[in-house]
Amino acid sequence: AQTVTQSQPEMSVQEAETVTLSCTYDTSESDYYLFWYKQPPSRQMILVIRQEAYKQQNATENRFSVNFQKAAKSFSLKISDSQLGDAAMYFCAYRSWSGNTGKLIFGQGTTLQVKP
Amino acid sequence: DTEVTQTPKHLVMGMTNKKSLKCEQHMGHRAMYWYKQKAKKPPELMFVYSYEKLSINESVPSRFSPECPNSSLLNLHLHALQPEDSALYLCASSQLTLGTGNTEAFFGQGTRLTVV
Repeated sequence: AQTVTQSQPEMSVQEAETVTLSCTYDTSESDYYLFWYKQPPSRQMILVIRQEAYKQQNATENRFSVNFQKAAKSFSLKISDSQLGDAAMYFCAYRSWSGNTGKLIFGQGTTLQVKP
Repeated sequence: DTEVTQTPKHLVMGMTNKKSLKCEQHMGHRAMYWYKQKAKKPPELMFVYSYEKLSINESVPSRFSPECPNSSLLNLHLHALQPEDSALYLCASSQLTLGTGNTEAFFGQGTRLTVV
């Protein structure tokens, strides 16, 4: 069975600075998808970024980028130029390539505080 | 339209009440999910419907009864709940055809349920 681990329950960053959230996972599959979701106090889960395991290039979305290390089974999220609106709980999630459910496996989450 | 709509947003119910949560999406997704989320925790998968058929039931008590009337709608019927069932209930949907670049799950805003 696959597992996802986020070892940082809480992180804080100064506004305009850079922060990196860590995620590791365990799987025996070679093809899969990884995601970072953001959940602000408004509670809706919003996709931040996705990475296909077969792609070697790290995904980027504006100020958000990932460091995907497939061999190490590591998938960290870097937030550059942090903004107050980035304050939220961040979840790393895994989805298998195979199977017919699209089920997501979540890490425990990291609460990010952004200080003005 | 990339929205998953959940109603109601808030619900307070007694332990003898019967109520239903509703979820709707018009993205043509063929998988729909119910998650339960406690504060500061990741979402816990309850049910998965694939092609309108129940494909995963994560040993959820029978006081929770899911229903998928068609490919766009998902309901969760609640009966004789306990105070510990108070939580945020999230609905999500996703495509099942992989490799299309849109493999993430889309989440609704959730229903905040309080059982008194």
